Amino acid sequence: DAGITQSPRHKVTETGTPVTLRCHQTENHRYMYWYRQDPGHGLRLIHYSYGVKDTDKGEVSDGYSVSRSKTEDFLLTLESATSSQTSVYFCAISPWGLEYEQYFGPGTRLTVT
Amino acid sequence: QKEVEQNSGPLSVPEGAIASLNCTYSDRGSQSFFWYRQYSGKSPELIMFIYSNGDKEDGRFTAQLNKASQYVSLLIRDSQPSDSATYLCAVPNFGNEKLTFGTGTRLTIIP
Repeated sequence: DAGITQSPRHKVTETGTPVTLRCHQTENHRYMYWYRQDPGHGLRLIHYSYGVKDTDKGEVSDGYSVSRSKTEDFLLTLESATSSQTSVYFCAISPWGLEYEQYFGPGTRLTVT
Repeated sequence: QKEVEQNSGPLSVPEGAIASLNCTYSDRGSQSFFWYRQYSGKSPELIMFIYSNGDKEDGRFTAQLNKASQYVSLLIRDSQPSDSATYLCAVPNFGNEKLTFGTGTRLTIIP
């Protein structure tokens, strides 16, 4: 998985609780991305980062926040989890940016009950 | 029109035959195109990328790009059961600063 790990790999949480997912890379790539994947919707971008402390919103960012204090770590936080956020979350990294290839982590399966 | 469209399948191909997967896109400014393979329960894996019109070959895989017609295709020669997976097409959308993925085509290779 191109030197990318995600934690936790599986999580079950209750509606209204905060949840933080972690993406860690050992490739020293500048760009990092968070996606969610749902049946019928494919992969959708939540947030992305183009450097330490540089982040921006994707197409489905409502209810999510991110932080990147180190090159290797990109955190995704669900401030107050809802059932609609039940999904599989993938982190991806890219060495050069949007028009270049992205490499995906193993994913986190999140269930909000 | 969706930004990236793929036939969802399932597409069934006999072992040893050629599997042909197609993808159309709406952004005429797109310059690079990616094919990912995703096994059930796993993460997407990059298998091909193409930047120029024409064909690009890598082993049993060939990507074909036609910018005038706005489609990109993936051919898999000598299909193997291990090729059974969902194949995702991805195209950069510079207006929205994102990589747009199609919903994928599920391919099944029949032994």
